[in-house]
Amino acid sequence: AQSVTQLDSHVSVSEGTPVLLRCNYSSSYSPSLFWYVQHPNKGLQLLLKYTSAATLVKGINGFEAEFKKSETSFHLTKPSAHMSDAAEYFCVVSDNGNQFYFGTGTSLTVIP
Amino acid sequence: ETGVTQSPTHLIKTRGQQVTLRCSSQSGHNTVSWYQQALGQGPQFIFQYYREEENGRGNFPPRFSGLQFPNYSSELNVNALELDDSALYLCASSPGGRGLYNEQFFGPGTRLTVL
Repeated sequence: AQSVTQLDSHVSVSEGTPVLLRCNYSSSYSPSLFWYVQHPNKGLQLLLKYTSAATLVKGINGFEAEFKKSETSFHLTKPSAHMSDAAEYFCVVSDNGNQFYFGTGTSLTVIP
Repeated sequence: ETGVTQSPTHLIKTRGQQVTLRCSSQSGHNTVSWYQQALGQGPQFIFQYYREEENGRGNFPPRFSGLQFPNYSSELNVNALELDDSALYLCASSPGGRGLYNEQFFGPGTRLTVL
């Protein structure tokens, strides 16, 4: 069985400070992992994906995620938050490319 | 390049009715997935179609069914609507075949309200 757990439903940071959104996964195989962002009234957009080529994955808008197999984690980070980063973030796992499982989401608030 | 489009944008139905939602995949994409996103929740995978055949299914009852057409557009049909079916229905298309790492491109969704 495959699933993801997003450990924080809400995260609040000040503008210019680091962002950490936590994700743990469960998978029987070597999974593919993704982070998506959903801005209000906009479609889901891919931030980055883990392809097994490198454990540290760089995405758009300065976001990164590190795949840690021993910890079954795929946390999303950004060194410095911007107001435009305020959105809902989803961690996604897939074992086979046919079924994709989303976490329940983390709402990021950026305080000016 | 045209992105993923969905129709209609909003829909209101009553309990027991049937509904059909439509999705046009991005040009060059032959795989389409459907998701249900309840208010305040993450999207839940319904099923995926690859070259007109169902290629994976989540934990949804048979009254949720789908089709994919030769042009790779897709329909989601829901019979015997229940109040809990009220949600945002998302369609996502991806290129290539059954690859693990294919990025999915999402449409804006159809908001279904069941009264």
